[in-house]
Amino acid sequence: GAGVSQSPRYKVAKRGQDVALRCDPISGHVSLFWYQQALGQGPEFLTYFQNEAQLDKSGLPSDRFFAERPEGSVSTLKIQRTQQEDSAVYLCASSQWPPAADGNQPQHFGDGTRLSIL
Amino acid sequence: LAKTTQPISMDSYEGQEVNITCSHNNIATNDYITWYQQFPSQGPRFIIQGYKTKVTNEVASLFIPADRKSSTLSLPRVSLSDTAVYYCLVGDINDYKLSFGAGTTVTVRA
Repeated sequence: GAGVSQSPRYKVAKRGQDVALRCDPISGHVSLFWYQQALGQGPEFLTYFQNEAQLDKSGLPSDRFFAERPEGSVSTLKIQRTQQEDSAVYLCASSQWPPAADGNQPQHFGDGTRLSIL
Repeated sequence: LAKTTQPISMDSYEGQEVNITCSHNNIATNDYITWYQQFPSQGPRFIIQGYKTKVTNEVASLFIPADRKSSTLSLPRVSLSDTAVYYCLVGDINDYKLSFGAGTTVTVRA
């Protein structure tokens, strides 16, 4: 596709519900990243996939957060038993990581899912 | 990742040049300097990346002095559509964990 696609764009859930956020990366991109962006702040790293392997999940805030990419393409970020502090924009990015020889291999971001927990 | 410091906000007018300076006193030898732009309700977008001296593309220029302890993003002849948050990132090219900070909110007025 032309870019990283995320769905839904907006999600409202009640505290305690489970949610699932979807990311369709750019076709052929090996690496996929999830970030969380609180209001007025920059994105913060959550987790990293290379193909279907989750190589880094050090940024996931708690064990209620779970991400998967079973076939090395589409990824889903799941949050169980949501809390109000989970309200944020969740951004997905993809790239042809690792970087090319010239070092220029930016991450391409989707427009995010705005999650509001009531 | 090297810590960066950039202004919280900047105001400008259409047609002017905007220069945003980012300080990164602890930059490491292997670190690159990368700038991202983020419009409201959109994800960040890569603008430019450099290691030293000057880099220019169709969107912006990046000036990096010899000591690399700071860098300046230059946006020529801004328009209203350049109103956005601009993030300065410093890190090893192999470090995939982008660290954005709070960024600089640039507001362009008519």
